[in-house]
Amino acid sequence: EAQVTQNPRYLITVTGKKLTVTCSQNMNHEYMSWYRQDPGLGLRQIYYSMNVEVTDKGDVPEGYKVSRKEKRNFPLILESPSPNQTSLYFCASSPNGGPQHFGDGTRLSIL
Amino acid sequence: DQQVKQNSPSLSVQEGRISILNCDYTNSMFDYFLWYKKYPAEGPTFLISISSIKDKNEDGRFTVFLNKSAKHLSLHIVPSQPGDSAVYFCAASGNSGTYKYIFGTGTRLKVLA
Repeated sequence: EAQVTQNPRYLITVTGKKLTVTCSQNMNHEYMSWYRQDPGLGLRQIYYSMNVEVTDKGDVPEGYKVSRKEKRNFPLILESPSPNQTSLYFCASSPNGGPQHFGDGTRLSIL
Repeated sequence: DQQVKQNSPSLSVQEGRISILNCDYTNSMFDYFLWYKKYPAEGPTFLISISSIKDKNEDGRFTVFLNKSAKHLSLHIVPSQPGDSAVYFCAASGNSGTYKYIFGTGTRLKVLA
């Protein structure tokens, strides 16, 4: 089954404790992206990647890092999480940057 | 500065009638637009897209209209069904060379049986 898998689905953690949200897709897609969804703000793009070793900033990249060492994986790293990064995060992939297939989301709470 | 705006947070429509969801944008460099549907506890699902070289695109019950001069696009759902009840997001990209996407804030559609 074609899917984008995010882990963990839920996480409660504390300020400053580094965390990584993993994202993996099994569709051999070139493009992957991370978004956060906040009430009243919709979806905002954090980072995207057109291919292995190629990443670019989206609209809200501050406080986040990503890496694309393999085509299938695109982890989101919060080096020093803060409460304003409490949000619902989505990973997505696409063959070529067009319509994206989204994962089911990761709800992060940072206390 | 919200470059993509969905000014109606919610919309209610009777089953069988037409649902019209609207989206406005400010950046004239946007040339590719998409609509996604989102159910609770799931990721968004792609519905339909349109390139700026077109003014209309249809896929079954879903039609997207693009008015470039007004910087406005709309999604028409005909006929509306209870299963269409979801949050709808429009998204825009300057697709020629960049794959950075800007999403609207979403419109919650409720189709009443």
